[in-house]
Amino acid sequence: SQKIEQNSEALNIQEGKTATLTCNYTNYSPAYLQWYRQDPGRGPVFLLLIRENEKEKRKERLKVTFDTTLKQSLFHITASQPADSATYLCANADSGYALNFGKGTSLLVTP
Amino acid sequence: NAGVTQTPKFRVLKTGQSMTLLCAQDMNHEYMYWYRQDPGMGLRLIHYSVGEGTTAKGEVPDGYNVSRLKKQNFLLGLESAAPSQTSVYFCASRPEGGAYNEQFFGPGTRLTVL
Repeated sequence: SQKIEQNSEALNIQEGKTATLTCNYTNYSPAYLQWYRQDPGRGPVFLLLIRENEKEKRKERLKVTFDTTLKQSLFHITASQPADSATYLCANADSGYALNFGKGTSLLVTP
Repeated sequence: NAGVTQTPKFRVLKTGQSMTLLCAQDMNHEYMYWYRQDPGMGLRLIHYSVGEGTTAKGEVPDGYNVSRLKKQNFLLGLESAAPSQTSVYFCASRPEGGAYNEQFFGPGTRLTVL
């Protein structure tokens, strides 16, 4: 089955900088990848989806890329703010019904 | 719309006790899911349902049972709780259609088994 890997180390950046989070997959190229945000004590919230044939997707300050050669998706937050501090999860649909999540990367944006 | 709600929010059980976690959604979604989230393990799928009256096993189904008697509700049961079931449980739902549809998550239930 597909394995989704995210950097387990927390990412600390300064306010105003661009945060870049990585999601790697190990086997076949997934048809799409989803990105979620999770705040402490809350359930994940959907942010963006990118399909295999899309190189890039944007939504306000968020940008996601999909590189099938590197088997990797990058998630960027430009002009980051302390309110962006959260854990970000990458996921793909393994069985066609349920999502297969990575362990998430914690982002801390300091003023 | 309330979205996805979960009951209870917190619960402490003793080993061997049983309990049922309730998930309700008011979005008329066909698909519903139960995940557990443990430190360092990420979200793991326990059971899921693709419609009223149907259920299927996920990655970690042992020790749990589920039922989907009504479209809007998905129940997760622990017949004999074990300390290994201490976790945060999330319910999610999504509409029928492409597998790429986003999932909507509830706020979670924090369960401690002593």
